[in-house]
Order: sequence, then structure tokens, then C-alpha cells
Amino acid sequence: EVQLVESGGGLVHPGGSLRLSCAASGFSVSIYSMNWVRQAPGKGLEWVAYIRREASEEYYVDAVTGRFTMSRDTAKNSVYLQMSSLRVEDTAVYYCARLNHFSGSRRLDYWGQGVLVTVSS
Amino acid sequence: SYVLTQPPSVSVAPGQTARITCGGNNIGIRTVHWYRQKPGQAPVLVLYDDTDRPSGIPERFSGSNSGNTATLAISRVEAGDEADFYCQVWDVSSDHVVFGGGTKLTVL
Repeated sequence: EVQLVESGGGLVHPGGSLRLSCAASGFSVSIYSMNWVRQAPGKGLEWVAYIRREASEEYYVDAVTGRFTMSRDTAKNSVYLQMSSLRVEDTAVYYCARLNHFSGSRRLDYWGQGVLVTVSS
Repeated sequence: SYVLTQPPSVSVAPGQTARITCGGNNIGIRTVHWYRQKPGQAPVLVLYDDTDRPSGIPERFSGSNSGNTATLAISRVEAGDEADFYCQVWDVSSDHVVFGGGTKLTVL
């Protein structure tokens, strides 16, 4: 059974840092590209970051470029989101999601339960 | 970046068919996926590749995609279908996921 479990969320002051983890089971993160998606309170879904299955490249939404870094540890079958210089507007539930590309299209077929990040003074 | 436009809300009576649209420039040449999100829960994929249903999603969920509009249709709507729905495509030019703004489905 495929499962994604996020951890590492919490309350942090503006300018602070936080590292989110996403532990995967039921599949290998070495053969799937992975994404982070966030949802601010009362708002819609916003794609944040993506790491290719080859781990050769990462992509970020402009709002977090230079502040967030996504990485992968195949030995632990996990992906991470290192967030620094956090801003109030980064407050959101952060979801880890698997990208299924095997039919030729690209969809997020499994999601974690989400983890809340609150940036506030 | 590619932009997807959804109506903020759609209301439908029980037993009727709800149609949620997703507009985008020539979206008909792209592949569209749909997610359902109930309050306090993570999104769930309910339709992929315009028309295909993942296992466990009832046949009441169907889709179409042509021209500048993709549509998710939910027939015989039930109270339990109330949720937010999001469309999604892959933006080839920027190489990442793009979501629509979401549509809140209300069952009257």
C-alpha cells in the first residue's frame, strides 16, 4: 500500500527555518518524481517544489526560489523540504505528493495527510 | 505560466448532475486531472487523463476536454459529494504542475 507521511511542521518566527520530511512506503522515491504542494488557510492548492526521479533537477515556484530546497534520500525512501527565511505568507498546510508519469501524462496520484507550518511572531 | 480558471462555486440539487469547468488556452490539447478535497482532508485524485477514474471512484464521475474548456461531471449528486474540486495540468514550458483555483461544490 502506498503511503506518504509528512512531519516537521510547527510554529516558527518570520525569518526562521524549518525542515519538512516526507516518508514514503509502498514504492521507491528513486523511480517517482515527488512534489510539495501547499494550501494557505482558506485558499486553493499551490504547487511549491518538484524533484525529478533522476534527482538531477529541482523546480520551485517563484515565491520560494532561493529560500526553499527540496532533496531526496533514497536510502530512507524520503523527500525533504528545507525552508529558510520564512515569511508570514508561507503559512500553510504542506502536502507531499507522488507524481505518476507512467501513462504519459503527469498527475499526483498519492498525497500525504499534510503538515501545518505557521509563520508568526 | 499556464493559467487554469475555475468558477469559485457550483450549486446543485441532490440527484441532479453537477458540472465543474476548467478553462485554459487550448486546454483541449492538454491532459487534465481532477482532485476532490473534503474539509480537513488531503486532496484525492478522482479523474485523470481527462476521462479515466482511479479505482474506488464511482462511475458517477466523468470528464470531457475540448477546445478551451475541460469539464468534470458528477451525476446523481449526493450530499456526500460536497467538496472543493481542483483541475490540474502539466505545464510543459515551465515543467511543473499547475492547479486551477478550485470550485466549491454545494449540494442544496
